[in-house]
Amino acid sequence: NAGVTQTPKFRVLKTGQSMTLLCAQDMNHEYMYWYRQDPGMGLRLIHYSVGEGTTAKGEVPDGYNVSRLKKQNFLLGLESAAPSQTSVYFCASSPGLANTGELFFGEGSRLTVL
Amino acid sequence: AQSVTQLGSHVSVSEGALVLLRCNYSSSVPPYLFWYVQYPNQGLQLLLKYTSAATLVKGINGFEAEFKKSETSFHLTKPSAHMSDAAEYFCAVSPSGGSYIPTFGRGTSLIVHP
Repeated sequence: NAGVTQTPKFRVLKTGQSMTLLCAQDMNHEYMYWYRQDPGMGLRLIHYSVGEGTTAKGEVPDGYNVSRLKKQNFLLGLESAAPSQTSVYFCASSPGLANTGELFFGEGSRLTVL
Repeated sequence: AQSVTQLGSHVSVSEGALVLLRCNYSSSVPPYLFWYVQYPNQGLQLLLKYTSAATLVKGINGFEAEFKKSETSFHLTKPSAHMSDAAEYFCAVSPSGGSYIPTFGRGTSLIVHP
């Protein structure tokens, strides 16, 4: 079972460039999430989705956009990358309602913005 | 509203010694509580979870945690540390009904000395 797969795993961007991170899950989960992890800051929620076609802002949404056109995919976009967006990004999914809220994580995507 | 506080960004123990990682939470509704572990360059994986059944929860790799409502705590313990336990540990809280959007603590890095 693949679980949650993130692509790419590594990327280096120049300030102002754009890119998209792709998250795919094969567990038929309703909920999907994008987090960023920075040293000493733990995981901070960027955006999340409670179902196909829906998205919502998390704790640190500025500078990011997301889309959930298909239930199994959750895309995170950076329209104009900034050095402050250098981070490790994690996608996660969960069954959603009627579940205990356990998250299943991908292996992360390391982004460096120069 | 919910929040998580992990006391100590780093905890250092000797191999074979007791491991104690502290987590305190606040939640306006009965919570679900989780401990996740992150090994270097990997995503997070679930260690154990509390979902309002038994207050003492056993997880993988010999870890356990006790839910203490009066102290709003969910500390993680392991009787005897192993070198392979060296990792980052995250405590998380999720409301027991509704959105299932968890909040994570900032993480505690466990260092195990031979």
